[in-house]
Amino acid sequence: GENVEQHPSTLSVQEGDSAVIKCTYSDSASNYFPWYKQELGKRPQLIIDIRSNVGEKKDQRIAVTLNKTAKHFSLHITETQPEDSAVYFCAASIIAASGTYKYIFGTGTRLKVLA
Amino acid sequence: DAMVIQNPRYQVTQFGKPVTLSCSQTLNHNVMYWYQQKSSQAPKLLFHYYDKDFNNEADTPDNFQSRRPNTSFCFLDIRSPGLGDAAMYLCATSRDYGVSSYNEQFFGPGTRLTVL
Repeated sequence: GENVEQHPSTLSVQEGDSAVIKCTYSDSASNYFPWYKQELGKRPQLIIDIRSNVGEKKDQRIAVTLNKTAKHFSLHITETQPEDSAVYFCAASIIAASGTYKYIFGTGTRLKVLA
Repeated sequence: DAMVIQNPRYQVTQFGKPVTLSCSQTLNHNVMYWYQQKSSQAPKLLFHYYDKDFNNEADTPDNFQSRRPNTSFCFLDIRSPGLGDAAMYLCATSRDYGVSSYNEQFFGPGTRLTVL
């Protein structure tokens, strides 16, 4: 079945350094790839997303790249800050049997930014 | 303004005692999802409603049921909660425009269920 692999599962970086999280999806029909940040006990928050007709998108310190041929997409956080510490989930949108869309989530990356 | 609301935020129930979790939305979205999330894991989709059409995931236990009486409300019923059902339950909504739409999902704050 469809799946999304996410690596690494944990990532520690020094404050100010960059962090990169990578995901690989299996369904070539996937056309939407959101990234969520989840702090302990809170809801997942959308931080950036990318559509299949775009190769890269940037929003301040956060960027996402998509390689449709290789079915890879990655999250890049530059100039990391302690408040970036959280669990990050990637997802790929696929068509459900109902005809609408559902997400396949990656397994998550716990990011720790060390001050 | 809250867009996806879940009540209660915390729910404690006893082993085997039925419990209902509630989700409401002000976005007028036609798709509503229920996820189960256990500690340090990704959200796991239980089922979704596309308008009034209920869609179960293949591995969702029969113990979990759902109702959607109108566009705004959706309920998750756990008929006989077990200790393994303790988790955060997240409701999400999206708008399907029907033509190659990009369906961002909007999450509620979640209900944390404890089973004693």
